[in-house]
Amino acid sequence: GNSVTQMEGPVTLSEEAFLTINCTYTATGYPSLFWYVQYPGEGLQLLLKATKADDKGSNKGFEATYRKETTSFHLEKGSVQVSDSAVYFCALGGSGGSNYKLTFGKGTLLTVNP
Amino acid sequence: EAQVTQNPRYLITVTGKKLTVTCSQNMNHEYMSWYRQDPGLGLRQIYYSMNVEVTDKGDVPEGYKVSRKEKRNFPLILESPSPNQTSLYFCASSRSGTLNTDTQYFGPGTRLTVL
Repeated sequence: GNSVTQMEGPVTLSEEAFLTINCTYTATGYPSLFWYVQYPGEGLQLLLKATKADDKGSNKGFEATYRKETTSFHLEKGSVQVSDSAVYFCALGGSGGSNYKLTFGKGTLLTVNP
Repeated sequence: EAQVTQNPRYLITVTGKKLTVTCSQNMNHEYMSWYRQDPGLGLRQIYYSMNVEVTDKGDVPEGYKVSRKEKRNFPLILESPSPNQTSLYFCASSRSGTLNTDTQYFGPGTRLTVL
């Protein structure tokens, strides 16, 4: 079945540091890949997505590239801000028997200190 | 404003007392879904619905029921809640069930505690 593995948290960074959150996946077929963000006390929001190999999703300074050869979709940001503190979820969808659901990773808590 | 709403946001109840968590969306979406979020486990799908009167089980449906009598509403029913259903619950919707292209919109969550 489909699965998503993302790096364990928590991750603590200083403002303006470089961020990488690793995400790898196992899936049949050709899934789409997503990063969702959950700010404290809120629901999940779509941060970015990529629907096919070599696509790069980007939003709010975050980027992730769909790498089929390494089955990865790592999230990066060049300079984090305090307001980026949140839980980040990698997810895949639309593949094989998972056409009607998203499969999520366990989430990575990011804390950015001033 | 396009949104998914859930009620209540917080609920403390006791084992065996039936409860319903409501979910409503104002985007005329066909697809709706319920997830539970537990520490260290991420989000797991409970049930989903492709349209009115069309529902199906997700990964963890035991102990839950759903109904989809109207397009905008998708209530989650716990007939006899147990402590292992203590969790954070999210409702989500999207234009269709084609989740490799459609964006899912999530509600703000319902934190349920079953004593």
